[in-house]
Amino acid sequence: DVKVTQSSRYLVKRTGEKVFLECVQDMDHENMFWYRQDPGLGLRLIYFSYDVKMKEKGDIPEGYSVSREKKERFSLILESASTNQTSMYLCASTQTPPFSGGSYNEQFFGPGTRLTVL
Amino acid sequence: AQRVTQPEKLLSVFKGAPVELKCNYSYSGSPELFWYVQYSRQRLQLLLRHISRESIKGFTADLNKGETSFHLKKPFAQEEDSAMYYCALVQRTSYGKLTFGQGTILTVHP
Repeated sequence: DVKVTQSSRYLVKRTGEKVFLECVQDMDHENMFWYRQDPGLGLRLIYFSYDVKMKEKGDIPEGYSVSREKKERFSLILESASTNQTSMYLCASTQTPPFSGGSYNEQFFGPGTRLTVL
Repeated sequence: AQRVTQPEKLLSVFKGAPVELKCNYSYSGSPELFWYVQYSRQRLQLLLRHISRESIKGFTADLNKGETSFHLKKPFAQEEDSAMYYCALVQRTSYGKLTFGQGTILTVHP
């Protein structure tokens, strides 16, 4: 009954490498999100996408980019990985409410990718 | 700007004791708040949302607009409640974007 999948559970990369993290959801959700999870800092939003090819920066976009070519797939790209990008990365998706002012549904999360940059 | 604060990084209680995880928020509009939970080796998942006014796994949370709080409570903690808990606020004008607190690790001792 897995709804949001991420391409890797664990990833080890070297400083300067280009890193791709993939996320796929099968719920036909419009909105997808990338967070990083760090102890004591909670979840911080990196980027989100509200439609194919549409994206907006979150709170900590520096050093990251994203791609959404298909509705079900949202990729996070680290152009040149650095040690301070070592973290747990979570992908999530949610559906836009059917009408203005409607209540938002829950976000569904993937299992996470633990990235270590050496 | 919206903000969610969870003042306790760690909270330890004994089985059967009451537990309260604190959450305070700042938001200029009408807030919609959630509690998410992450059990060991499991993905982050929704525990409850304030508009549902439900009790989930014995947990309840009441939105107090006067005190801008959304504390999570359970009268009798169980060992299986041990987990990381996040309070979150949705930004209604931005596609369901959530602002999370820093998280509280709850440990329930036998």
